Amino acid sequence: DSGVTQTPKHLITATGQRVTLRCSPRSGDLSVYWYQQSLDQGLQFLIQYYNGEERAKGNILERFSAQQFPDLHSELNLSSLELGDSALYFCASSVDLTGTTQYFGPGTRLLVL
Amino acid sequence: AQKITQTQPGMFVQEKEAVTLDCTYDTSDPSYGLFWYKQPSSGEMIFLIYQGSYDQQNATEGRYSLNFQKARKSANLVISASQLGDSAMYFCAMRESTNSGYSTLTFGKGTMLLVSP
Repeated sequence: DSGVTQTPKHLITATGQRVTLRCSPRSGDLSVYWYQQSLDQGLQFLIQYYNGEERAKGNILERFSAQQFPDLHSELNLSSLELGDSALYFCASSVDLTGTTQYFGPGTRLLVL
Repeated sequence: AQKITQTQPGMFVQEKEAVTLDCTYDTSDPSYGLFWYKQPSSGEMIFLIYQGSYDQQNATEGRYSLNFQKARKSANLVISASQLGDSAMYFCAMRESTNSGYSTLTFGKGTMLLVSP
């Protein structure tokens, strides 16, 4: 158990809908990272937050957004969902900004029908 | 060009034998980090081992060791005395820093390891 929690574990929804994925980092970790893992794209970095502020953006679509709250939990919002958004979404956390070691949560498996 | 290359889509090894999973990387950042993660069929990503670009010694964690050859830009994972539970997908990843002080983690496509009895 990495100490990073993610809810829900599974999510099934329809195209055009909006969903919110939630992540709680390990106790004491200030950085939260979001990743998408799909069969065709592999594991891709989406976005990083550090102590409530956005610090890095990767291959995140404009339909996706995230935030980190004062209690350091983070949410990833996916809107206008398409079939291709079906993937495993991971949250990871690290204690520092540079992410020397990132610990991953169990992931949320999203299926868009 | 790919930043992380794992050339072995799949590997077979017999229980109790050692196995090496290959990883080469490409970066111009002088300060970078290399990671290996294990992803079993259940899906979670498990951190195995980390090597910093300035570390003089190869990293080791139990049965895992990282064969770091900086000049060749390679960071192979060696698993000694393989166990059935080692069957999983293994990802090599690289952390690069930017001038803004943040970092990104880039993953390779992975190597599927199957350990047979």
